Amino acid sequence: NAGVMQNPRHLVRRRGQEARLRCSPMKGHSHVYWYRQLPEEGLKFMVYLQKENIIDESGMPKERFSAEFPKEGPSILRIQQVVRGDSAAYFCASSPGGKEGYTFGSGTRLTVV
Amino acid sequence: GENVEQHPSTLSVQEGDSAVIKCTYSDSASNYFPWYKQELGKRPQLIIDIRSNVGEKKDQRIAVTLNKTAKHFSLHITETQPEDSAVYFCAASSGSQGNLIFGKGTKLSVKP
Repeated sequence: NAGVMQNPRHLVRRRGQEARLRCSPMKGHSHVYWYRQLPEEGLKFMVYLQKENIIDESGMPKERFSAEFPKEGPSILRIQQVVRGDSAAYFCASSPGGKEGYTFGSGTRLTVV
Repeated sequence: GENVEQHPSTLSVQEGDSAVIKCTYSDSASNYFPWYKQELGKRPQLIIDIRSNVGEKKDQRIAVTLNKTAKHFSLHITETQPEDSAVYFCAASSGSQGNLIFGKGTKLSVKP
């Protein structure tokens, strides 16, 4: 089992560009969660998805951020028109169902220059 | 929604001493409380968890206690070693939802 796979590991974008972060959950896991971690800070919940459905997006900024988890393929976190404040580590976690059994990926470190 | 407070933000102990990290939560419906360890530049990894029907759980040098009435839970690490140095996060489930809400973390330094 390859675990939760995130790519890319590092992503550099200029202000105004789009960033796409990918997350492939562990085999058998149908629940995906995205978190943002700023330097020296905790993990801030962004969005919770199941296949083809957004369950809870209460932590997502209202503008420029979107997430999807299609029937086929990885979950995608998309950030449009990035700004310097979007620079952070973005972690994805997956679980077989609900809150127990969370496994995190290695994260994508986004740098906006 | 759920809110989790974690203290202290930094903790420095001598090798062999014990370390205690405390968390409080706000949602009385929360019933699952995991602890994660994150080493520098790496992913958070689950080290121990506790459910609301249990008051204490132990796994070798680590233990977690839960006080549902007071809505707080704690991580205890005994006989600390330099490799215990990391950031530790507590979390609580957000009521009936599946997502975890995390505290801001405690940076533990174990000095040899």
